[in-house]
Amino acid sequence: SQKIEQNSEALNIQEGKTATLTCNYTNYSPAYLQWYRQDPGRGPVFLLLIRENEKEKRKERLKVTFDTTLKQSLFHITASQPADSATYLCALPASNDYKLSFGAGTTVTVRA
Amino acid sequence: KAGVTQTPRYLIKTRGQQVTLSCSPISGHRSVSWYQQTPGQGLQFLFEYFSETQRNKGNFPGRFSGRQFSNSRSEMNVSTLELGDSALYLCASSLRTGGDTQYFGPGTRLTVL
Repeated sequence: SQKIEQNSEALNIQEGKTATLTCNYTNYSPAYLQWYRQDPGRGPVFLLLIRENEKEKRKERLKVTFDTTLKQSLFHITASQPADSATYLCALPASNDYKLSFGAGTTVTVRA
Repeated sequence: KAGVTQTPRYLIKTRGQQVTLSCSPISGHRSVSWYQQTPGQGLQFLFEYFSETQRNKGNFPGRFSGRQFSNSRSEMNVSTLELGDSALYLCASSLRTGGDTQYFGPGTRLTVL
């Protein structure tokens, strides 16, 4: 069956450090992968989309990599700030019907 | 552009009742998807509507239904509510169907007593 796993439920880091989140998937062949941010009590907000032919994508302090051989995406937050504290979700389309499936998310807490 | 809006934001119902939730997508977006989010199951896809037609459906019982109107606004209905239906219901709109970037609303928090 198709599965999306995000490395850990929670990640605590110090301000200024780099947070690295992992999204692993099985039995998918996604043409792209998306990352979202969700704050408590709010809907997810789209951050980045990376396509299968792109190895890396950046947006400000965010960097995403996509390795279709390892079936893995890494999401990096560099020079982290307390305002980056949130839950980060990866999402990919199912192979047959393209509806988006989401990982369980990783909650990042950045300590000042 | 105004974002996705959902009404109501909070709702308390009792078992056996039914509920209707409403979603207005971003102007120009023709696809509306609905998701259920719970602490145990995470974000689960319910269904997607595009141009008033259901395009995709998740693994939920028939008590969960939806529709989309000609102005792309959408409603979802849950009949015969169960305690396990307590969740955050999120609506998301997108330009295209089928896994396109989702723009989420703030959600409706449903509590079933």
